Amino acid sequence: ETGVTQTPRHLVMGMTNKKSLKCEQHLGHNAMYWYKQSAKKPLELMFVYNFKEQTENNSVPSRFSPECPNSSHLFLHLHTLQPEDSALYLCASSLTPGLADSTDTQYFGPGTRLTVL
Amino acid sequence: KNQVEQSPQSLIILEGKNCTLQCNYTVSPFSNLRWYKQDTGRGPVSLTIMTFSENTKSNGRYTATLDADTKQSSLHITASQLSDSASYICVVSAMNRDDKIIFGKGTRLHILP
Repeated sequence: ETGVTQTPRHLVMGMTNKKSLKCEQHLGHNAMYWYKQSAKKPLELMFVYNFKEQTENNSVPSRFSPECPNSSHLFLHLHTLQPEDSALYLCASSLTPGLADSTDTQYFGPGTRLTVL
Repeated sequence: KNQVEQSPQSLIILEGKNCTLQCNYTVSPFSNLRWYKQDTGRGPVSLTIMTFSENTKSNGRYTATLDADTKQSSLHITASQLSDSASYICVVSAMNRDDKIIFGKGTRLHILP
């Protein structure tokens, strides 16, 4: 609906598994983002990519590894996660990066609900 | 420390009534303020974006106000509908590099028929 799709919508994994989240935007945007949304906590910005280059990493643990092969696709590779990593992971895109410097609208995907057992 | 506080945490109103959600922030130097609506199980959807020079901005039945002097914003919903039931998130951006984008925890709004 928003032009940003995410797969899978739900994921259950063990702490020793390796999995990947996928995000795709069909809006012709140049910036893409990963957010984490935990229950009763504010949205946390994890990574920002601009024209496939990572421009921001907000002290995210190395067990989360982003990949941006082109400006339309964004992945989040997961390995050896902890139960506290269970959350809704949201992908977003905007025409230009730097939400603090511009008034571009940010479009979010529906999210992947991740449960780590 | 840059912070964004939203109130109330949750709100229940009857369909057709108006309501106002509050957002107070301590972010400085201020760049812009955004309001998002997030339906359960979905990603946030942008409602309004305001810069320092803007006092009010409307999007249909949603009207956001900004008082940069008192560092307060409000989101007013007119003639509420059942579909307005959602979380409303206030996001404030700072000009400096640290804590550039600060999210509020949101207000959970329930519209009753």
